[in-house]
Amino acid sequence: DAGVIQSPRHEVTEMGQEVTLRCKPISGHNSLFWYRQTMMRGLELLIYFNNNVPIDDSGMPEDRFSAKMPNASFSTLKIQPSEPRDSAVYFCASSGGGTSRNEQFFGPGTRLTVL
Amino acid sequence: LAKTTQPISMDSYEGQEVNITCSHNNIATNDYITWYQQFPSQGPRFIIQGYKTKVTNEVASLFIPADRKSSTLSLPRVSLSDTAVYYCLVGEKQGLGAAGNKLTFGGGTRVLVKP
Repeated sequence: DAGVIQSPRHEVTEMGQEVTLRCKPISGHNSLFWYRQTMMRGLELLIYFNNNVPIDDSGMPEDRFSAKMPNASFSTLKIQPSEPRDSAVYFCASSGGGTSRNEQFFGPGTRLTVL
Repeated sequence: LAKTTQPISMDSYEGQEVNITCSHNNIATNDYITWYQQFPSQGPRFIIQGYKTKVTNEVASLFIPADRKSSTLSLPRVSLSDTAVYYCLVGEKQGLGAAGNKLTFGGGTRVLVKP
């Protein structure tokens, strides 16, 4: 199993540009999570989906952030327009598949730098 | 979701046992205690989960007293590669829906293992 796949692994962009982060969850998992991690704020949950449906987006910081999950094997997190304070590592995680514990499997993350 | 409190950091030496205690005074009846480990530049990884008494796996042991208001993660004979941040989380065991799937990460405990 390849685990959770995220792309790109690194992204450097200029303020005002649109950024799209991509995630492929583990096959068979029905929950997908987007997190953001910074030194100041730690690991924050931005949004999560159950069966491709957004359940809780209370962690999405602003309207500049949006997330979609068009099917069970793909999700995107978009920032438009990006700002320097959006610089962080963004993690995608998935869970489910009939396991008996609420374990989330994290991807390697996308390190975003907004200049 | 019950709030957790754990030390910010701990230092240890190779071969020693490391014990990290987490306080969760408001833990609910349905809540389980879960620990994640995060290495630098990686996403968090599930270590162990328990409800009461003691749980042991190949990586760690988890001790939970009868009142469940705290728990202790024990790492036996640590090596340099155990240097990481360890997170204590409290929540429902299974993804029972919107509340059950959500995990809230606190600040974690940064463990540094020295040679």
